Amino acid sequence: GDSVTQMEGPVTLSEEAFLTINCTYTATGYPSLFWYVQYPGEGLQLLLKATKADDKGSNKGFEATYRKETTSFHLEKGSVQVSDSAVYFCALKGQGGSEKLVFGKGTKLTVNP
Amino acid sequence: NAGVTQTPKFQVLKTGQSMTLQCAQDMNHNSMYWYRQDPGMGLRLIYYSASEGTTDKGEVPNGYNVSRLNKREFSLRLESAAPSQTSVYFCASSGPNSPLHFGNGTRLTVT
Repeated sequence: GDSVTQMEGPVTLSEEAFLTINCTYTATGYPSLFWYVQYPGEGLQLLLKATKADDKGSNKGFEATYRKETTSFHLEKGSVQVSDSAVYFCALKGQGGSEKLVFGKGTKLTVNP
Repeated sequence: NAGVTQTPKFQVLKTGQSMTLQCAQDMNHNSMYWYRQDPGMGLRLIYYSASEGTTDKGEVPNGYNVSRLNKREFSLRLESAAPSQTSVYFCASSGPNSPLHFGNGTRLTVT
């Protein structure tokens, strides 16, 4: 079945550092890929998405590129802020009609001033 | 504000007690979901409902039941709570061209 593997955390960075959180997937066909963010005490929110190969999703300075050849969707940000401290989840939606998402286990990011 | 509303926000149960977690969405979404979130496990799908009147098992359905009362509401019931059901429960909804929208969660402790 479909699955998502993302780098285990926690990840601790200093403000203005470069961020990469790796995500790879296993799925048949051409799934849609997502990054969700969860701030403390809240539910998950969509951060960005890409629906076809070579698409780049971007939002709030975060970017991720859908790489079919490496089955990857790594999340990057050039300069993190303290306010980016959260848990980040990579997810995929299969090519079929179902709207169900399969999530990775999440990566906790802490950014220190 | 439009979105997904879950009640209660916190609950403590004793082993063997029952309870129902409530969820309502006002975005006219067809699909609704219940996930549980546990440390190191990410989010795991318990049950989902692709449309009013239909429900299907997800990855971890044992010990739970659901009811899709109408298009807006999707409840999750624990008939006989167990300590292994201590978790944070999230309800979510989605439409054909919209991403998953999550509620803020219910933090359940079973002692």
